[in-house]
Amino acid sequence: DIQMTQSPSSLSASVGDRVTITCRASQSISTYLNWYQRKPGKAPKLLIYAASSLQSGVPSRFSGSGSGTDFTLTISSLQPDDFATYSCQQSFSIPPTFGQGTKVEIK
Amino acid sequence: QVQLQESGPGLVKPSETLSLTCTVSGDSVSSGSYYWSWIRQPPGKGLEWIGYIYYSGNTHYNPSLKSRVTISVDTSKNQFSLKLTSVTTADTAIYYCARGAYRGYGLNFDYWGQGTLVTVSS
Repeated sequence: DIQMTQSPSSLSASVGDRVTITCRASQSISTYLNWYQRKPGKAPKLLIYAASSLQSGVPSRFSGSGSGTDFTLTISSLQPDDFATYSCQQSFSIPPTFGQGTKVEIK
Repeated sequence: QVQLQESGPGLVKPSETLSLTCTVSGDSVSSGSYYWSWIRQPPGKGLEWIGYIYYSGNTHYNPSLKSRVTISVDTSKNQFSLKLTSVTTADTAIYYCARGAYRGYGLNFDYWGQGTLVTVSS
């Protein structure tokens, strides 16, 4: 299985901050990388697919980049609704595997 | 709007079978475009894909769970279900159902249920 490692595991930020989360794959996965937002008690939400494509309805402050083994999710200006946990997922091979998550907390 | 809702017991005894159902609205489990999936998150850990079923009944399971997992579909009720046998405390997790799709860059999951906590304990 392909291992996905996210960093940091948590971060504190303020509204308006630019936030960057990193995801690294244990082998090259081209751009077969997806990002999700998770909140307690709510359905997880697909934000980015194919490393940089914005899912329909997702605000443009979210962006993704990277290829091969290293990827980033950027929130250009953090909003109150963005405090959540973010997870990456590789879709290069079965089984799909996820990072352990990055929790974005209020500073 | 597509919605998924998990249901089932929140407490299962060790060695017994965990059974969950996902009810889909706003889409049909009979549609040929999607892979109806189960994913779980143990406490303090990341998400783990359990497996999926296609409308035709074809299934694909995570090798780590394959010997204990069965996913089935009931098109008449627009539901799909998960059975996990011989559970242990390691199977305690939030269980999610999700709609999977191949969008040219592998399998991702665009709609999820809210998740249901299943605790394995005597």
